[in-house]
Amino acid sequence: SQQGEEDPQALSIQEGENATMNCSYKTSINNLQWYRQNSGRGLVHLILIRSNEREKHSGRLRVTLDTSKKSSSLLITASRAADTASYFCATEIMNTGFQKLVFGTGTRLLVSP
Amino acid sequence: DVKVTQSSRYLVKRTGEKVFLECVQDMDHENMFWYRQDPGLGLRLIYFSYDVKMKEKGDIPEGYSVSREKKERFSLILESASTNQTSMYLCASSTVWSGQLLISSYNEQFFGPGTRLTVL
Repeated sequence: SQQGEEDPQALSIQEGENATMNCSYKTSINNLQWYRQNSGRGLVHLILIRSNEREKHSGRLRVTLDTSKKSSSLLITASRAADTASYFCATEIMNTGFQKLVFGTGTRLLVSP
Repeated sequence: DVKVTQSSRYLVKRTGEKVFLECVQDMDHENMFWYRQDPGLGLRLIYFSYDVKMKEKGDIPEGYSVSREKKERFSLILESASTNQTSMYLCASSTVWSGQLLISSYNEQFFGPGTRLTVL
């Protein structure tokens, strides 16, 4: 089963509004990453937060991590039409000594002008 | 910039055909991955490789094989394509180095543009 589950599955907002996406996971992790995917394209890495970090910022992005609740959130402030994309969380778990990332099912964000 | 390229953006094959999907990265990355992406299921790992000639099964390896003869190239092979292998296939690479420091946890993965495969 998927390690990460995003919520909501889809989000529609107006330009200038903030967008918040949530990710829940099941097992202990080393780090959690967020990726963006524009329609029909590959994924692009946005931000990484380690298990001993609680919050991280990068430009208009703010990520929080609550390891006690096994959850993370991605906040995009002052959204733009160009932010329209699908967003995925990915958790790093251990697998027979070799790390791998497990991706969630994604949140589709639509930002209207 | 890291560049990961995939041999085709769109591919149409017939059931039973042998299909090769090629992936090349230009950043001397040690790790390479093949995922498939299906609506509602997210990305699922098929195979990965952490060195030349090394391969490890991911979560859904059945019906697939891989080859890594050179560090920069990772090929996904569908031995006998079936309709349930119609999907978007994504290749990715990553490194275990951060500067000159060997790190134990993952760096970011760099993805190719994807190949949309249709099996008729």
